[in-house]
Amino acid sequence: DTGVSQDPRHKITKRGQNVTFRCDPISEHNRLYWYRQTLGQGPEFLTYFQNEAQLEKSRLLSDRFSAERPKGSFSTLEIQRTEQGDSAMYLCASSLSISYNEQFFGPGTRLTVL
Amino acid sequence: QKEVEQNSGPLSVPEGAIASLNCTYSDRVSQSFFWYRQYSGKSPELIMSIYSNGDKEDGRFTAQLNKASQYVSLLIRDSQPSDSATYLCAVIKAAGNKLTFGGGTRVLVKP
Repeated sequence: DTGVSQDPRHKITKRGQNVTFRCDPISEHNRLYWYRQTLGQGPEFLTYFQNEAQLEKSRLLSDRFSAERPKGSFSTLEIQRTEQGDSAMYLCASSLSISYNEQFFGPGTRLTVL
Repeated sequence: QKEVEQNSGPLSVPEGAIASLNCTYSDRVSQSFFWYRQYSGKSPELIMSIYSNGDKEDGRFTAQLNKASQYVSLLIRDSQPSDSATYLCAVIKAAGNKLTFGGGTRVLVKP
């Protein structure tokens, strides 16, 4: 399978714990995006990388959230001191910068904070 | 006013009929427009992209863009029960990279 992959697919954690999610983009794609989706809403942009550079962050991305893409390949999204309001589907997408920016999504990581 | 607006539905369509979905956007300089299909509990799947005014057809799907009216639509011909899903409209603004999504329209195709 050459699509975007995410790990884990599901995560249940207690309030106050830290969690980390991983995203592996489509191999030739140099752009990688993180979005968050809550029930009944469209996905909301969190942050975006071109290669290893983090070029844009949403105001939604509080200081408890950090994302990295150290070698321009896979990316991690860490949430520190999780809150119940962080419960959502975390989606990763990738695209080619030379395309019209068609973004292809991974299966998502569903986070439940108890 | 939301940046991208869609009717939440549900849009109920008989099998074999045409489903017509609408989306309006507020930023006049938006340049790229996308339709994603999302089944319950799954991630969005790109089904159509359109960048210039007019129609674009791909199989049973036709996307229509009218930049003057800030309006993009999706037609699904010969609707099948497997088309039952939420359809998300998304736009990218000029010189931008992030997708801004509408809330989605739920479509129910009844046999």
